[in-house]
Amino acid sequence: AQSVTQPDIHITVSEGASLELRCNYSYGATPYLFWYVQSPGQGLQLLLKYFSGDTLVQGIKGFEAEFKRSQSSFNLRKPSVHWSDAAEYFCAVVVDSNYQLIWGAGTKLIIKP
Amino acid sequence: NAGVTQTPKFRVLKTGQSMTLLCAQDMNHEYMYWYRQDPGMGLRLIHYSVGEGTTAKGEVPDGYNVSRLKKQNFLLGLESAAPSQTSVYFCASSPAGELFFGEGSRLTVL
Repeated sequence: AQSVTQPDIHITVSEGASLELRCNYSYGATPYLFWYVQSPGQGLQLLLKYFSGDTLVQGIKGFEAEFKRSQSSFNLRKPSVHWSDAAEYFCAVVVDSNYQLIWGAGTKLIIKP
Repeated sequence: NAGVTQTPKFRVLKTGQSMTLLCAQDMNHEYMYWYRQDPGMGLRLIHYSVGEGTTAKGEVPDGYNVSRLKKQNFLLGLESAAPSQTSVYFCASSPAGELFFGEGSRLTVL
């Protein structure tokens, strides 16, 4: 069955430290992958996407993600987090030609001052 | 540019009441989606539309109906609300690929 797993429900990181959020997917074909961010009380905003080509993709706000087919992963990284990065992060994969997405349950990022 | 606008943003219903959530997008997108978001469960697709006049069921369609009479609007209806439908509802539109989201509608069913 198609699925997206974000193994970490919460992650706490000190401001200025590096960040990696994990995402694993289960999908038979070449995936279209997304990372979205949701601030409290807000809708979701696209951070970055992978459709094809370079497996290291750059996004907004200094985020990047690397697609690793052999590990079925699409982990999100940032070299130095800022307090404004505190939010919930969702990984998603397109599963059909109507661009239906399967979503992970989300990882809540907490920033320590 | 308004993007995706949802109305109302908040609503409290009693069990058995009906209501309609309106989603409007001004980006001329073909695809539109209704999701619900519950704690710890991510987003689950309720219904979607691939163009004006079309609708299709998503992962959790029971208890909901939708209509897409105009390309820019996608309506989500609850005919007889139940407490299990207490949730935050998000509408999204897409040109094919990236989704653009509204700010959400928080619905409480008592």
